[in-house]
Amino acid sequence: GENVEQHPSTLSVQEGDSAVIKCTYSDSASNYFPWYKQELGKGPQLIIDIRSNVGEKKDQRIAVTLNKTAKHFSLHITETQPEDSAVYFCAAHPRWEKEGSHKGGAGSYQLTFGKGTKLSVIP
Amino acid sequence: DTGVSQNPRHKITKRGQNVTFRCDPISEHNRLYWYRQTLGQGPEFLTYFQNEAQLEKSRLLSDRFSAERPKGSFSTLEIQRTEQGDSAMYLCASSPTGQNQETQYFGPGTRLLVL
Repeated sequence: GENVEQHPSTLSVQEGDSAVIKCTYSDSASNYFPWYKQELGKGPQLIIDIRSNVGEKKDQRIAVTLNKTAKHFSLHITETQPEDSAVYFCAAHPRWEKEGSHKGGAGSYQLTFGKGTKLSVIP
Repeated sequence: DTGVSQNPRHKITKRGQNVTFRCDPISEHNRLYWYRQTLGQGPEFLTYFQNEAQLEKSRLLSDRFSAERPKGSFSTLEIQRTEQGDSAMYLCASSPTGQNQETQYFGPGTRLLVL
């Protein structure tokens, strides 16, 4: 099965600096890589995702890069703000079987998560 | 609010009791997932439904756990004879059909404490 490793486990940055979180995955069949932000006592919130046919995606201050050959992907947050402080999780999802093909097939529908990075943005 | 909702948000129970959690997915999402999250860890997959059919179960889902989605809308997760090791956050997620079918949206979770 898939194994996702995430580094670092904790990260402290000064407000305005950039933060980078890195993940590696083991299953070359994975082709969808979301990032979630989780605040204390809340569920994970999707912040950005990338599919294997794309090498980079950006949304305002957040960007994700994917290197399929090396099987790693990274989250980049620029101009960090105190409200960015949270735990961030990367995840990997295998190639989705086409509709209906799960019957008798070996498709997997689960996200495999890293262990998380606690980001602290110091004002 | 059209997001995933979960009830109750918190549950404290004594060891050996049964508990049931409910998840209401985003309207028209036909795929629903349950995950468990322990302190300091990422969510771990438990089970998945497509409409009312339970299509995948993790080895984490022991025989004390049962999940249903009888009408293909809301889902329930029941834990029988709870143990202290069941204490965790139980998360529900849903995803749409079509182009973004892998995209899972999570609810706020139900935090279970077994005394």
